[in-house]
Amino acid sequence: ETGVTQTPRHLVMGMTNKKSLKCEQHLGHNAMYWYKQSAKKPLELMFVYNFKEQTENNSVPSRFSPECPNSSHLFLHLHTLQPEDSALYLCASSQGRAGNSPLHFGNGTRLTVT
Amino acid sequence: GENVEQHPSTLSVQEGDSAVIKCTYSDSASNYFPWYKQELGKRPQLIIDIRSNVGEKKDQRIAVTLNKTAKHFSLHITETQPEDSAVYFCAASRYRDDKIIFGKGTRLHILP
Repeated sequence: ETGVTQTPRHLVMGMTNKKSLKCEQHLGHNAMYWYKQSAKKPLELMFVYNFKEQTENNSVPSRFSPECPNSSHLFLHLHTLQPEDSALYLCASSQGRAGNSPLHFGNGTRLTVT
Repeated sequence: GENVEQHPSTLSVQEGDSAVIKCTYSDSASNYFPWYKQELGKRPQLIIDIRSNVGEKKDQRIAVTLNKTAKHFSLHITETQPEDSAVYFCAASRYRDDKIIFGKGTRLHILP
């Protein structure tokens, strides 16, 4: 159904927990992204990776730590989160740069921080 | 940096009527303008995009217009249908940029 797969679909974690979100793209794309979608700030860019190299960090707090081991996989490691971090976390990929290539989104991970 | 404003935030139209969503951007160097549709509980999906070398693009019932001088672009949906109900996001970017800036979205309701 979708070329970008995210796991888990739902995650509930306490503020002291450590968890990771996983994203995998099967489209042969070169760029991968993490977006945060919440009611107050829809589609907020967090990180961009191009050919495994991080090219954008949109002033994201250090409690979010991305990892891109190869062009097909992207992780978001979470630790000591705050309740305001509860949101839908969307992964996306594109063939080229976002400025000239459509983004293909995954279905997202709905994160709740208690 | 780029800033994208989108209006209205909510729009209700009668089934069969047309819907128009408008966006303005601040960076005159932006030259790629995609539109994404996000149905309830689903992921955003590209529905149409336009580059700055054209003023209008159509795909069946959907059209996008671009006014570079005024720095605004619009999405037009004609003969609206129930399945058009969704949140629509406009976005803007420069050709070689790694990031794309989204508007805050328009929730479109198609009334029976």
